[in-house]
Amino acid sequence: KAGVTQTPRYLIKTRGQQVTLSCSPISGHRSVSWYQQTPGQGLQFLFEYFSETQRNKGNFPGRFSGRQFSNSRSEMNVSTLELGDSALYLCASSHGQPGEKLFFGSGTQLSVL
Amino acid sequence: AQKITQTQPGMFVQEKEAVTLDCTYDTSDPSYGLFWYKQPSSGEMIFLIYQGSYDQQNATEGRYSLNFQKARKSANLVISASQLGDSAMYFCAMRETAGGTSYGKLTFGQGTILTVHP
Repeated sequence: KAGVTQTPRYLIKTRGQQVTLSCSPISGHRSVSWYQQTPGQGLQFLFEYFSETQRNKGNFPGRFSGRQFSNSRSEMNVSTLELGDSALYLCASSHGQPGEKLFFGSGTQLSVL
Repeated sequence: AQKITQTQPGMFVQEKEAVTLDCTYDTSDPSYGLFWYKQPSSGEMIFLIYQGSYDQQNATEGRYSLNFQKARKSANLVISASQLGDSAMYFCAMRETAGGTSYGKLTFGQGTILTVHP
């Protein structure tokens, strides 16, 4: 069974641009969660999507948004990039039920110049 | 207040020896889950072990075991027979579920860097 796939692996953008990251969950998983990892703040929850609906959101500005498609693939968008958005963005998938394990992808390393 | 505390920024262990990575947590939720992940330098988060708050037995997965002490709110990871490939960052994380329908949100600790010496 294929794992969680994130694309692209690396991205370099400049301030003010926007970026879209993609996450394909493990087959059969309907929940996709996104996390931001920085050296200063550690791992922080961005949002969770389940069956195309956002069902939880972390404490991030509105520039961070996401969506999920009917095949459970998810995209995350960051608009008007700031230097502080440079981070490793990780997504995790599960069946979305209590007691479920979360499986992560390899992440997208975003650098904002 | 921090919900997940990993007090060891770095740990060193000799190959083939056992090592314990500490994790304490804080929650008022009676139903929660505790996770340990390994993150090598490549960045991928690798699932190691899971313990539910109502599980009676300590979780084990191969060389990994979780020493769950509910009253003390601790969930230490024990790695037996350390290997060179175990050198990585290790994260403890918690999922709280009381009254909610969202099960994809984890709160992570700051991590412990484990170095295994030959």
